[in-house]
Amino acid sequence: KAGVTQTPRYLIKTRGQQVTLSCSPISGHRSVSWYQQTPGQGLQFLFEYFSETQRNKGNFPGRFSGRQFSNSRSEMNVSTLELGDSALYLCASSSTGGGQETQYFGPGTRLLVL
Amino acid sequence: AQKVTQAQTEISVVEKEDVTLDCVYETRDTTYYLFWYKQPPSGELVFLIRRNSFDEQNEISGRYSWNFQKSTSSFNFTITASQVVDSAVYFCALNTGFQKLVFGTGTRLLVSP
Repeated sequence: KAGVTQTPRYLIKTRGQQVTLSCSPISGHRSVSWYQQTPGQGLQFLFEYFSETQRNKGNFPGRFSGRQFSNSRSEMNVSTLELGDSALYLCASSSTGGGQETQYFGPGTRLLVL
Repeated sequence: AQKVTQAQTEISVVEKEDVTLDCVYETRDTTYYLFWYKQPPSGELVFLIRRNSFDEQNEISGRYSWNFQKSTSSFNFTITASQVVDSAVYFCALNTGFQKLVFGTGTRLLVSP
């Protein structure tokens, strides 16, 4: 099976712009989670989607949003970018999102906000 | 609240040395799951092992071994005869069933030849 794929891999934006990141889960996986990794805050949970519904959300401002499509692919959007949004954004998928399941991660999207 | 502590920020060893990475977790849940991931310079998190709270049996997989002790809330990871390719950041993570992983701050392992 192909692994989790994320596009684009690298992105440079300027403050105030918005950005959309895409994630395709492992075939058959219906749960997709997003994480932000920064040197200062480490790995932090953004949100999780299952069957096109957001089930859980981390402590991030409303500028961060996401959605999931019927084929389980997911996108996350960050509006009005700030310098502090520069980070590695990681997507992970699992079968149903249960706590006992392993989440498999994609290669990430490196976002640089200038 | 759930918390994972990896007190070792960085460890440097010489190839063939054994190295243990420490992980201490906090949770009030009786059912939980612990994970170790490896993050090489490329950035992708690579899954290594999963343990549930009811299974304290230690595990060995090749040069890797894990020691899970509920009494001390620890889930330590040992690499035997380390190799340069083991150089990476290693993360311990906790999941109590709400679709999210709580990660430790990671331990950077540098293995020199």
